[in-house]
Amino acid sequence: AQTVTQSQPEMSVQEAETVTLSCTYDTSESDYYLFWYKQPPSRQMILVIRQEAYKQQNATENRFSVNFQKAAKSFSLKISDSQLGDAAMYFCAYRSSFTYSGGGADGLTFGKGTHLIIQP
Amino acid sequence: GAGVSQSPSNKVTEKGKDVELRCDPISGHTALYWYRQSLGQGLEFLIYFQGNSAPDKSGLPSDRFSAERTGGSVSTLTIQRTQQEDSAVYLCASSLTGLAGGTDTQYFGPGTRLTVL
Repeated sequence: AQTVTQSQPEMSVQEAETVTLSCTYDTSESDYYLFWYKQPPSRQMILVIRQEAYKQQNATENRFSVNFQKAAKSFSLKISDSQLGDAAMYFCAYRSSFTYSGGGADGLTFGKGTHLIIQP
Repeated sequence: GAGVSQSPSNKVTEKGKDVELRCDPISGHTALYWYRQSLGQGLEFLIYFQGNSAPDKSGLPSDRFSAERTGGSVSTLTIQRTQQEDSAVYLCASSLTGLAGGTDTQYFGPGTRLTVL
């Protein structure tokens, strides 16, 4: 079974600064998908960014970018120019490339989350 | 367009009662997922539907939990004889397809917070 580890329960950053959230995972698969989701107090999980394991290029979405190190099984999220609206729980998630295979492979495996605080 | 909706937003029930949680996926999405989010266990995957069928129910915590999906759309998660450890936020997500690839991105609803007294 795959596991996802987020070692930082809480991070704090000044507004307009850059922050990096770390995530490591354990898998025996060679093809898979990785995600970062944001969960504000409203509880709604919002997709921030997605990375396919077969792609060497790191994904970027505006102020959000990832550092994907496949050999190290590391998938960190960098938020540039932090804004007050970025304050939320951030979850790293893994999805197997297999489908309809059962054993939980069809769902996302989440880390425990990192609580990001933005200081004005 | 409309996102994933869930009802009720909050549910308080007494131990031993049955509860039904509802999920309305994004129109046209064939895949639907249920997750549970609790302080102790974090986010757990419960069950996945492709159309109306669930290939694997092994993620359901106990036989008191069941889920169904009808018409390839609305899904209900039923918890019978609720226990205090069932207290959690139950999240539903849908994706265009269940196939790994660009169409499998999961979009989440706001969740139902269940409190069992």
